[in-house]
Amino acid sequence: DAGVTQSPTHLIKTRGQQVTLRCSPKSGHDTVSWYQQALGQGPQFIFQYYEEEERQRGNFPDRFSGHQFPNYSSELNVNALLLGDSALYLCASSTMNTGELFFGEGSRLTVL
Amino acid sequence: SQKIEQNSEALNIQEGKTATLTCNYTNYSPAYLQWYRQDPGRGPVFLLLIRENEKEKRKERLKVTFDTTLKQSLFHITASQPADSATYLCALHTGTASKLTFGTGTRLQVTL
Repeated sequence: DAGVTQSPTHLIKTRGQQVTLRCSPKSGHDTVSWYQQALGQGPQFIFQYYEEEERQRGNFPDRFSGHQFPNYSSELNVNALLLGDSALYLCASSTMNTGELFFGEGSRLTVL
Repeated sequence: SQKIEQNSEALNIQEGKTATLTCNYTNYSPAYLQWYRQDPGRGPVFLLLIRENEKEKRKERLKVTFDTTLKQSLFHITASQPADSATYLCALHTGTASKLTFGTGTRLQVTL
């Protein structure tokens, strides 16, 4: 049973560029959440997708957007990249209204 | 303001001893609280979930307590081993399920 898979694992972008990160949830899970983790910090909630809709959103600007597909996989898009967007981006899957999250290994984004 | 505080200093203990990690929070009323383990460069891994009406939860060598009056959770690892060395994250449910607010984590180092 594959767990949560994310791609790419590492990427380098320059300021102003756009990036798309991808996530496939654990089998049987229908809810995908995205988190940003800066170095030395805990993960911060970006948003959550369920039934192909954004259900909750954290305190992130509109430059951060997402999508969930009918097969429950998800994408995170970040536009107009800033240096401060450099972080580990984590995808977590779950079923709606259950507490435990299953995290992927993350996508390490470096913005130069 | 809302805060989740974990000891930012690393906790160093000797193999075989009990490690105790603290999570304090203010201005939250979480329905439940979770603990995760995170190894460097990896995604967090779920360990335990405790609900507001539960005082204590155990899983093998792990024990967590939850005191909603003190607004504190304690996480214990008994008979600690070098393989337990990692960062441990406390997370509160602060909205509907799957939206977690994380502390900054405490790094545990178990030495021989």
